Amino acid sequence: NAGVTQTPKFQVLKTGQSMTLQCAQDMNHNSMYWYRQDPGMGLRLIYYSASEGTTDKGEVPNGYNVSRLNKREFSLRLESAAPSQTSVYFCASSDFIERQGYYGYTFGSGTRLTVV
Amino acid sequence: LAKTTQPISMDSYEGQEVNITCSHNNIATNDYITWYQQFPSQGPRFIIQGYKTKVTNEVASLFIPADRKSSTLSLPRVSLSDTAVYYCLVGLINAGNMLTFGGGTRLMVKP
Repeated sequence: NAGVTQTPKFQVLKTGQSMTLQCAQDMNHNSMYWYRQDPGMGLRLIYYSASEGTTDKGEVPNGYNVSRLNKREFSLRLESAAPSQTSVYFCASSDFIERQGYYGYTFGSGTRLTVV
Repeated sequence: LAKTTQPISMDSYEGQEVNITCSHNNIATNDYITWYQQFPSQGPRFIIQGYKTKVTNEVASLFIPADRKSSTLSLPRVSLSDTAVYYCLVGLINAGNMLTFGGGTRLMVKP
């Protein structure tokens, strides 16, 4: 039971370069999210996808794009990386966990991105 | 979205009970309260969720007063491994809901 898998785990980019962060979940969850977390701070929502085929902006969408490729996969793209995008990026999925009786998020282990 | 307020940090000692209170004065009728735990270099992990009164699971208890304007996460007999950041989230629990993570409470458990 892998849960939410993010790749890569670490990445260093030069300013202006582009890259795509990949996320896949194997729990058949409907909703998926991308968050960023700056050092010592809480998580901020970048984009989310309530269900396959839909995406919406979160708190800090500027500089990012997303694609909900199918129910399992939700990718985050940085078209022209900037030093301000240096952060840890977390992907998450959510749904009602019937066997335990709660609605919760499952997070990936994160991608640590440095833009120089 | 309901705004939450938590203490920035707390210290405790091994074996003690720790209570972390979260204020959410503008909680809406259908909002639930959920707590997450985050260790360094890891994503947050679900701890407990509740709507009213008291909820208990194998790791924690959640106390919610009748007015639901606050909630208290109770960790019984903490150990060093409970050192983490704890987040209180308030909102609807349905598909695509934009739950907001605040700054959380940084709990340090000392030997």
